[in-house]
Amino acid sequence: GNSVTQMEGPVTLSEEAFLTINCTYTATGYPSLFWYVQYPGEGLQLLLKATKADDKGSNKGFEATYRKETTSFHLEKGSVQVSDSAVYFCALRHAGNNRKLIWGLGTSLAVNP
Amino acid sequence: EAGVTQSPTHLIKTRGQQATLRCSPISGHTSVYWYQQALGLGLQFLLWYDEGEERNRGNFPPRFSGRQFPNYSSELNVNALELEDSALYLCASSPVGVSSYEQYFGPGTRLTVT
Repeated sequence: GNSVTQMEGPVTLSEEAFLTINCTYTATGYPSLFWYVQYPGEGLQLLLKATKADDKGSNKGFEATYRKETTSFHLEKGSVQVSDSAVYFCALRHAGNNRKLIWGLGTSLAVNP
Repeated sequence: EAGVTQSPTHLIKTRGQQATLRCSPISGHTSVYWYQQALGLGLQFLLWYDEGEERNRGNFPPRFSGRQFPNYSSELNVNALELEDSALYLCASSPVGVSSYEQYFGPGTRLTVT
């Protein structure tokens, strides 16, 4: 079946460090891929998305590229800020119309000043 | 534009009782989704409603049910509560058309079963 695997956290970085959070998936066909972020005390927010192979999603300095050959959608940011401290979730939506999102377990990021 | 709203913020129930959670989608969104975020288990898909109909259901027992009203708001009911139902319940909505794969989440209802 469809599944998403994220690197386990917590991840702790210093401000301005480079961030990579790995995400790999298992799915048939061509799913859409998403990164959501959950800031402390807030709900989930869509951070970026990619709907087909080789698409690059980007937002707020974060990027992720849909790699079909490696079934990956790793999240990257060149220089993290304290305000990026949050939990990041990778998710996929299978092609078709069942609308169900399959989620990774989330990766907690703490950025220290 | 107002986001997805959920009520109540917190709900405390005892085992065996029923819980009712409510969700109002973003204006113009016709689909509503419910997810359970339990500690250590990540987000699990519960239900999808669209145009008043249940379209898809996750792997949960029948005591988890819900409905969608004509104004597209939704209710999640959990009967015969069990301790393991304690979790954050998230509601999301999505628009029609090409952006229908984007889901916008509310802040959640924290259900505690004692």
